[in-house]
Amino acid sequence: AQRVTQPEKLLSVFKGAPVELKCNYSYSGSPELFWYVQYSRQRLQLLLRHISRESIKGFTADLNKGETSFHLKKPFAQEEDSAMYYCALRSDTGRRALTFGSGTRLQVQP
Amino acid sequence: DAGVIQSPRHEVTEMGQEVTLRCKPISGHNSLFWYRQTMMRGLELLIYFNNNVPIDDSGMPEDRFSAKMPNASFSTLKIQPSEPRDSAVYFCASSSHPDSPLHFGNGTRLTVT
Repeated sequence: AQRVTQPEKLLSVFKGAPVELKCNYSYSGSPELFWYVQYSRQRLQLLLRHISRESIKGFTADLNKGETSFHLKKPFAQEEDSAMYYCALRSDTGRRALTFGSGTRLQVQP
Repeated sequence: DAGVIQSPRHEVTEMGQEVTLRCKPISGHNSLFWYRQTMMRGLELLIYFNNNVPIDDSGMPEDRFSAKMPNASFSTLKIQPSEPRDSAVYFCASSSHPDSPLHFGNGTRLTVT
């Protein structure tokens, strides 16, 4: 069975500090990994996906198959980054729906 | 496009009552997903449909929960009878294909007293 773990429920940093939101997964095949974000009073939306290998709003995430991790990073946090972040996994076979982690709330303080 | 539309936005009901949540996916999207969000467990998949057919309902917690998609533009999630532990935010999402990014609705916040 596939599983996504986000060990931190809350991460609080100061503006300008580096941010790393942790995500680990368990899956035996070749998964596709995503980060979704929910800003206050907005809908949950896709932030980035590992196959795109892109940087969105300064965030990057690298899939590390050896460590089964997909941590989300940003070198300098901004107040507008405060939101709920969900890591998600899609399997390469069978069930194609996304499996989400429990989420991490990022608070960026001024 | 108004995006995925869910109704009602908020629902407060008493234990034992029937609750029906509604979802209108984005026009042209063939896949529809129901998720439940709680503080403790985050986002859990309840069920998803592809071309109106239920593909995976393994996340439906109990027989009290049922979901239908009678046509491509409408889906319902019903809880009968409701219990206080069903209190959560229920999200509907759609995508043009099961492998495409999800577009979420605003959610329905359900409170069962």
